[in-house]
Amino acid sequence: AQSVTQLGSHVSVSEGALVLLRCNYSSSVPPYLFWYVQYPNQGLQLLLKYTSAATLVKGINGFEAEFKKSETSFHLTKPSAHMSDAAEYFCAVMKGNTPLVFGKGTRLSVIA
Amino acid sequence: NAGVTQTPKFRILKIGQSMTLQCTQDMNHNYMYWYRQDPGMGLKLIYYSVGAGITDKGEVPNGYNVSRSTTEDFPLRLELAAPSQTSVYFCASSNGAGGSGELFFGEGSRLTVL
Repeated sequence: AQSVTQLGSHVSVSEGALVLLRCNYSSSVPPYLFWYVQYPNQGLQLLLKYTSAATLVKGINGFEAEFKKSETSFHLTKPSAHMSDAAEYFCAVMKGNTPLVFGKGTRLSVIA
Repeated sequence: NAGVTQTPKFRILKIGQSMTLQCTQDMNHNYMYWYRQDPGMGLKLIYYSVGAGITDKGEVPNGYNVSRSTTEDFPLRLELAAPSQTSVYFCASSNGAGGSGELFFGEGSRLTVL
């Protein structure tokens, strides 16, 4: 069964600094990969998704992620953190028509 | 556009009580899901449905039941509430699976069992 591992349950960055949230997947076949964001007391919303069209995927709010098959990774980055980026971020994987499987999440704190 | 609507937003139950979490979507999506979210554990799939009349178990189905009589509605039933079911429950829907399977989430239902 496919799964994702998010390295670091909590990441703290200064405002304006690079954001890097790590995600590794396990799958024998390249899957579909997603990043979702959850703001406090809200549901999840899609940031971006990889569906094999391009390895570098751009999402909303200036986030992007790069699919690296050799490293089985799909790390999320943003060049310059903003206070409004403070939230919990979830990596998720889907293979074929099976439902999404989520990682345990990484809480991002942004320090002024 | 309402999207995915869950009710109630908050509920406190006593051990052994029953209740139904309601979920409705107005996007005509075929796929619907129920997840539970526990601190530090991510989201775990309880049940899902690929269309009216079709449901299937997810990773953690014990203690729950679902039905899908219409495209719009996907209620989750807890028959005998237990403290282990204290969690935040999210309903989601999507228009398809695979790469087109973007999930749209409701705002969640926070359940406490005492």
